[in-house]
Amino acid sequence: DAKTTQPPSMDCAEGRAANLPCNHSTISGNEYVYWYRQIHSQGPQYIIHGLKNNETNEMASLIITEDRKSSTLILPHATLRDTAVYYCIVRVYTNAGKSTFGDGTTLTVKP
Amino acid sequence: DTGVSQNPRHKITKRGQNVTFRCDPISEHNRLYWYRQTLGQGPEFLTYFQNEAQLEKSRLLSDRFSAERPKGSFSTLEIQRTEQGDSAMYLCASSSSPPQGPDGYTFGSGTRLTVV
Repeated sequence: DAKTTQPPSMDCAEGRAANLPCNHSTISGNEYVYWYRQIHSQGPQYIIHGLKNNETNEMASLIITEDRKSSTLILPHATLRDTAVYYCIVRVYTNAGKSTFGDGTTLTVKP
Repeated sequence: DTGVSQNPRHKITKRGQNVTFRCDPISEHNRLYWYRQTLGQGPEFLTYFQNEAQLEKSRLLSDRFSAERPKGSFSTLEIQRTEQGDSAMYLCASSSSPPQGPDGYTFGSGTRLTVV
């Protein structure tokens, strides 16, 4: 599995958009980009995933660059409950095997 | 179905003791994974099963660690002769192969082990 790199921490004002970047320069053509978040003392929770097109669901939007070497998770209106560690990983969808996590980005939403 | 269930949620043990954790996956999921997470780091893969077969083991899984999934349903992770370095959160996840749903990969809330 390809490795990902993320900034260790970010702050965001409540109500503003949070934009979390991720680099995955060695991603393979059949690997999807997945985002998870982890709130203290809980397991990672799925947010969104995509292959090459931008994706949006009720939680977030995912923007993947045309060369697929990086992506951005967007939380459009961050709330205090969005304070968490956010992980970007790449994984072959149909394989659904092991996932390789980095250390993620700690997002702190401030009032 | 209430998702992936892990028991106990917390375990404190003395160094040298054996501990066993249990994971009950989502019932229709045939794949089950174990991860370990230490403070400030992301989850690290330990092993995974498809049905009752253990398909992959990480080098992190030393001889003191053993995982089983005897009937392809729940799984247990046992650590023998625990060491202080084993203190961590042990996470279980399950998925179906082929995947179902948006992600098809669901984590439990973990078992936090403290070795004193």
